[in-house]
This record gives sequence, C-alpha cells and structure tokens, in this order.
Amino acid sequence: EAGVTQSPTHLIKTRGQQATLRCSPISGHTSVYWYQQALGLGLQFLLWYDEGEERNRGNFPPRFSGRQFPNYSSELNVNALELEDSALYLCASSSRFSGNTIYFGEGSWLTVV
Amino acid sequence: QKEVEQNSGPLSVPEGAIASLNCTYSDRGSQSFFWYRQYSGKSPELIMSIYSNGDKEDGRFTAQLNKASQYVSLLIRDSQPSDSATYLCAVNIGNSGYSTLTFGKGTMLLVSP
Repeated sequence: EAGVTQSPTHLIKTRGQQATLRCSPISGHTSVYWYQQALGLGLQFLLWYDEGEERNRGNFPPRFSGRQFPNYSSELNVNALELEDSALYLCASSSRFSGNTIYFGEGSWLTVV
Repeated sequence: QKEVEQNSGPLSVPEGAIASLNCTYSDRGSQSFFWYRQYSGKSPELIMSIYSNGDKEDGRFTAQLNKASQYVSLLIRDSQPSDSATYLCAVNIGNSGYSTLTFGKGTMLLVSP
C-alpha cells in the first residue's frame, strides 16, 4: 500500500514568488495535515483538512493557504515568499478510524532565495 | 500557549544500553500521545502510540504515560547505532474533535558502537 506522497521533492523559489506543494494521502485516509519544519525548529502545525473542509489552522499568516480536493489530495500554497519560509514542508494523513495517529510523507524542501 | 517540552540532547548511550527519552506536556485534557523517530534529512516515522496510564511495550521500545504528572517517556532497550536519530514526542492538544498533534522539538539520541 502506497504511503503519503508529496511533490515536488525540492523547490527553489525567489522571494516574493508563490509556491505550490502537493500531497496525496494514504488510500482510505480522509484527513490531511501540513506541517512546517524549519532548520533548528520543531514541527509547526500549519493546516488540517478533512472531507474537503479546513478544520484547524496553526499560527501562520494568511499567505499560507491550501485546499483539499474531492479525492482527498491536497495542496499547500505559500504566497509572497519570504526567506524564512525556507523549510521542509511535511504532509501527513489519517483516517477516521485511526484516532489522532498521523503518517507522514517524505516532505518537500522549499528554498527561498 | 499549550506546549510539549523535550530535552534537546544529545543523549549519548553506548550500544546495548537503555536509552530513556522524556517529554512533558501542558494540556491536562490531552488524550493521545505518540513517539516518532526522525533520521537526519528524513520525515518522521511513527514508533508508538499510548493512550492510557502505564506502560506499553513493542519490541525493544516501551512507552510510559503518567497523566497526573503530564509526563510521557520512551525507553529503548538494547540500543543500536541504527537507533541514532531525533525522537519526537507528539501530543494532541485542543478541543476534542478539532485537536491536532503538537510536537516537541525532539531529543537527539546518539548510540555509540
């Protein structure tokens, strides 16, 4: 069974540009979570989508946004990129039967120059 | 701000020893607790979950939970060099139904041959 898949693996953008990251959850999982892991910092919760709806949002500015599609895949958009947005962006998924257990993808490395 | 606290380490142990990793959390209402392992440059992988007070064993790993003290720990018996990684404690924090996992910053474990 395929795990959580993310694309692209690496992305280099210029300050002020927009970045789009994509995630496909484990088959049967309806919830998708996005986390940011900047160098030297812990995992910071960004967004939680379930059944197409945004359920919770972390302490990030509105230029971080996303959506979940009918097939439960998701994308994260970061507008007006800043240098400090450079980080590993991790997507995770869970099913309604697994409680709060979440499983991570391999992540997308975003570098803003 | 509801938090999850871990000693950043590094915790150094010789091969074959027991490694003890600790975590405290601030939200008394938390019900779900997880340990993830993260190798450098990789995404976190789930090791164990624990929901009830006491011990839970899985192979060389034992998770211990004490809700009264708001404390969760992970013991790794017969530590191997391949166990060298950062161990992340995660706790569900927030209102039931809309809670998400909050991660500690992790403890780096180094197992020397």
